Amino acid sequence: LAKTTQPISMDSYEGQEVNITCSHNNIATNDYITWYQQFPSQGPRFIIQGYKTKVTNEVASLFIPADRKSSTLSLPRVSLSDTAVYYCLVGDVNNAGNMLTFGGGTRLMVKP
Amino acid sequence: DGGITQSPKYLFRKEGQNVTLSCEQNLNHDAMYWYRQDPGQGLRLIYYSQIVNDFQKGDIAEGYSVSREKKESFPLTVTSAQKNPTAFYLCASMNGGYTEAFFGQGTRLTVV
Repeated sequence: LAKTTQPISMDSYEGQEVNITCSHNNIATNDYITWYQQFPSQGPRFIIQGYKTKVTNEVASLFIPADRKSSTLSLPRVSLSDTAVYYCLVGDVNNAGNMLTFGGGTRLMVKP
Repeated sequence: DGGITQSPKYLFRKEGQNVTLSCEQNLNHDAMYWYRQDPGQGLRLIYYSQIVNDFQKGDIAEGYSVSREKKESFPLTVTSAQKNPTAFYLCASMNGGYTEAFFGQGTRLTVV
């Protein structure tokens, strides 16, 4: 499984766009990139998944460069409720034997 | 409504006792996972199961045991061999390969 590296923490202010970058230098050809959000005392929640270029949904955008060695989760116009831990995971969507391993995540603090 | 349910939400255990945490899902997912989370830390994988009657150790399996007799159920037993069991435990399920994982609300275990 490809190892991921993310910043430990980030601060932002309400209304700003937040970009969290994840490094995955040894990503494999069949690997997809998935981001989860976790609030205190709750289980993580799926945000977005992508393979290459750009993916957008109602919550976030995911930017993946051509070499796929990194990815950036973009949260537009954050609010206080976006304060959470964000995890980047990499794995093969076609492999039923995935361990589903989480790293330490990025702790985002949104300030008023 | 489909989902994944963990019980109980809070659990207190005396030192030296075994305790079993329940995890049930009605999503018809093949894969199920157990994680441990300590304060301010990420999720660490304890055990996972890709199919009924089969399971694999994760990164921190020592002191824990699991069973997967039914597709819907994946109970975790915290044994007396686990030296520091006080933590937040999360169960997840996922269909097939590296798709969206669904998490339960967690069980907070405290050793008294």
